[in-house]
Amino acid sequence: EAGVAQSPRYKIIEKRQSVAFWCNPISGHATLYWYQQILGQGPKLLIQFQNNGVVDDSQLPKDRFSAERLKGVDSTLKIQPAKLEDSAVYLCASSPVTGGYEQFFGPGTRLTVL
Amino acid sequence: GENVEQHPSTLSVQEGDSAVIKCTYSDSASNYFPWYKQELGKRPQLIIDIRSNVGEKKDQRIAVTLNKTAKHFSLHITETQPEDSAVYFCAATDTSGTYKYIFGTGTRLKVLA
Repeated sequence: EAGVAQSPRYKIIEKRQSVAFWCNPISGHATLYWYQQILGQGPKLLIQFQNNGVVDDSQLPKDRFSAERLKGVDSTLKIQPAKLEDSAVYLCASSPVTGGYEQFFGPGTRLTVL
Repeated sequence: GENVEQHPSTLSVQEGDSAVIKCTYSDSASNYFPWYKQELGKRPQLIIDIRSNVGEKKDQRIAVTLNKTAKHFSLHITETQPEDSAVYFCAATDTSGTYKYIFGTGTRLKVLA
């Protein structure tokens, strides 16, 4: 089966600019996760969707980050405006059910904010 | 809040030796513990997992042990090979709650040939 797809793979922007990331989960997977992975650290959950509803967004900086999952399939994560500390790899993952099952990760988007 | 501590942050072993990575979790409701391997520039991939009703699980050269009382679990890799070199992440989650995965900070394993 096809894996989780993400685009773009790399993005370089100036601070205060906007950026958007796209994720296409594995077909049929109800749960979708966005993680932020800062260099040298473990993935930190930003937001979790079940179908098109938000399950957890407690660590999403809502003043600058937003995410949506249209029709319970693809998802976009947006940062507006970006700060230097947003430089990280943004990983999308999906799983067939919530909890207790493997999360399948995409290749990630490496964001550099200058 | 929930927290997962992982040690050591870096680990170097000679090829053929064993490697052990340890994680401690804070949320006593956690009942599922996956381990992910992330090679340089690649996505994390699940290598083994364990549920709270099991004390140990083994898959070829990889094993995971869980001590619920002490709230810690460990990854054991025997007969290490150069291709085992990667960053390993532990995680913990409560499958009866929001299923939020809390990841450890990672261990960079280097297997020296």
